[in-house]
Amino acid sequence: EVQMVESGGGLVQPGGSLRLSCAASGFTFSGYSMNWIRQAPGKGLEWVSYISTSGSTTHYTDSVKGRFTISRDNARNFLYLQMNGLRDEDTAMYYCARILSLHHDYWGQGTLATVSS
Amino acid sequence: QSALTQPASVSGSPGQSITISCTGSSSDVGGYNSVSWYQQHPGKAPKLMIYDVSNRPSGVSNRFSGSKSGNTASLTISGLQAEDEADYYCSSYTTSSTWVFGGGTKVTVL
Repeated sequence: EVQMVESGGGLVQPGGSLRLSCAASGFTFSGYSMNWIRQAPGKGLEWVSYISTSGSTTHYTDSVKGRFTISRDNARNFLYLQMNGLRDEDTAMYYCARILSLHHDYWGQGTLATVSS
Repeated sequence: QSALTQPASVSGSPGQSITISCTGSSSDVGGYNSVSWYQQHPGKAPKLMIYDVSNRPSGVSNRFSGSKSGNTASLTISGLQAEDEADYYCSSYTTSSTWVFGGGTKVTVL
């Protein structure tokens, strides 16, 4: 069974950092590109970042460029999102999602990051 | 990248059909056959309902169907049921090698 479990969210002050993790199981993790997608409270979905199967290619939405870094550990089946310089507007549920032919076929349950003083 | 445009809400009675539109541009919806639709119940993660414009994943009811014309994609739910009440989001890959989502549509079963 495909499963992805996010962790690492929490309450952090503006300017602080968080490292989100996504533990993948039930499939060959190294064979799939992955995305992080977020959802602010009461708002819609927003794509955040992409990483290729090997990790050699990454993309970011403009609002997080230079602050967030996506990475993966294919040996341990983990996806990460390092978030630095956090702002109030980064407050959201963060989901990891598996990419299959340009769509997201499986999603984790999400981890909540709250940025507030 | 601007969000795709969806109606904020759509409603229908049980058994009726409803259609949700999703309008983008030639850089996303119109440029790729990679439109997908997601259902999200309150407090839950999104669930894939339609991919590549009109394909249903295994296990998704055939009451859900998708189509596209130009820069606008559509999701139709036929034989509306109480369990279909949820938020629905469209998404498309873009020419910038990114993904864009619609603002979401709240479906209410009257």
